[in-house]
Amino acid sequence: GENVEQHPSTLSVQEGDSAVIKCTYSDSASNYFPWYKQELGKRPQLIIDIRSNVGEKKDQRIAVTLNKTAKHFSLHITETQPEDSAVYFCAASRGASKIIFGSGTRLSIRP
Amino acid sequence: DSGVTQTPKHLITATGQRVTLRCSPRSGDLSVYWYQQSLDQGLQFLIQYYNGEERAKGNILERFSAQQFPDLHSELNLSSLELGDSALYFCASSMRSGGDDTQYFGPGTRLTVL
Repeated sequence: GENVEQHPSTLSVQEGDSAVIKCTYSDSASNYFPWYKQELGKRPQLIIDIRSNVGEKKDQRIAVTLNKTAKHFSLHITETQPEDSAVYFCAASRGASKIIFGSGTRLSIRP
Repeated sequence: DSGVTQTPKHLITATGQRVTLRCSPRSGDLSVYWYQQSLDQGLQFLIQYYNGEERAKGNILERFSAQQFPDLHSELNLSSLELGDSALYFCASSMRSGGDDTQYFGPGTRLTVL
């Protein structure tokens, strides 16, 4: 069945450095790729999403890139700040099927 | 605030009991999704309703059931509760029924089974 693999499971970076989280998906028909941020005990919140007709999307310090040929997409956070510490989930879906979430990446920002 | 509401925020109950979790979607959204998140785990999709009809099913146990009412709010019923059912239960809503529609999550209900 459909699967989304997310790496790494934990990531620790120095404040001000960049963080990159990668996901691969198995369903080549997937066309929607959202990223959610979940702070401890809080709801997952959509931070950025990309659809398969574009290769890259940027929103301030956050960017997502999509490689449809290789079936992978990545989240890039630049100039990391303490408030970026959270669990990040990637997901993949296509119109008729349910969304599949990755297993999550726990990002810690070291002061 | 996503516009999705869930009640109650916390629920403590005993094994063998039955509970009902409630979710109201964002105004205008027709789909409601239910997820289970155990401690330090990912989001496990349980079930989706669209405009009152069951649309997709995930890893939902037979002891669990859900429904969506004409006013589009949804309830998740958990029965014969076990210790392992302790988790955060989220609902999410979206405008349409497709998997490529953006989902907005509610604040969650934390269920503790003692």
